[in-house]
Amino acid sequence: EDQVTQSPEALRLQEGESSSLNCSYTVSGLRGLFWYRQDPGKGPEFLFTLYSAGEEKEKERLKATLTKKESFLHITAPKPEDSATYLCAVQPADKAGRRALTFGSGTRLQVQP
Amino acid sequence: SQTIHQWPATLVQPVGSPLSLECTVEGTSNPNLYWYRQAAGRGLQLLFYSVGIGQISSEVPQNLSASRPQDRQFILSSKKLLLSDSGFYLCAWSVSLNTEAFFGQGTRLTVV
Repeated sequence: EDQVTQSPEALRLQEGESSSLNCSYTVSGLRGLFWYRQDPGKGPEFLFTLYSAGEEKEKERLKATLTKKESFLHITAPKPEDSATYLCAVQPADKAGRRALTFGSGTRLQVQP
Repeated sequence: SQTIHQWPATLVQPVGSPLSLECTVEGTSNPNLYWYRQAAGRGLQLLFYSVGIGQISSEVPQNLSASRPQDRQFILSSKKLLLSDSGFYLCAWSVSLNTEAFFGQGTRLTVV
């Protein structure tokens, strides 16, 4: 069974204090790994897609990396507006190619000024 | 550009009443469409997905059903709501099952 585990569940940072969020996955083949940001009461907002180990993507203060077992979302010098829940999802591979995303429970990030 | 509309934003329904949530996508053709449910502090659970008109796949057995009467319209329904149906329902679309999904703003359903 496909599994996605995110850690920590919650993280509190001071403004400017860099850190990383972890997404560990167990899937029968990986087609893609996705990061989303979700604000309270809103739908998730797409951030990145990673397809192969060693791949990296960057957007402003966020950088996502991927290995064969996990992905990291690095946040450099965060600002209060980066406060949100960050969700990781995997697209498992199967022969028919007809599988949808499996999501982790998310990391709730709070950045204090 | 593509946009996804989902309504209503909030809904309070009594136990045993019917449900209909609607989702439409603009700016794209033949999208893959999804219904997810998110419990408080939990990840998103895939309920249904559709790769075309009239084609619905169900991920988990439950009290809900989905329909896709038009290419860019996806409807989530129930004949009789249960207390356990309360949650945050999200509609999403993607170009294919292998690509990123884009979400609507969600419907907060409370069954009382």
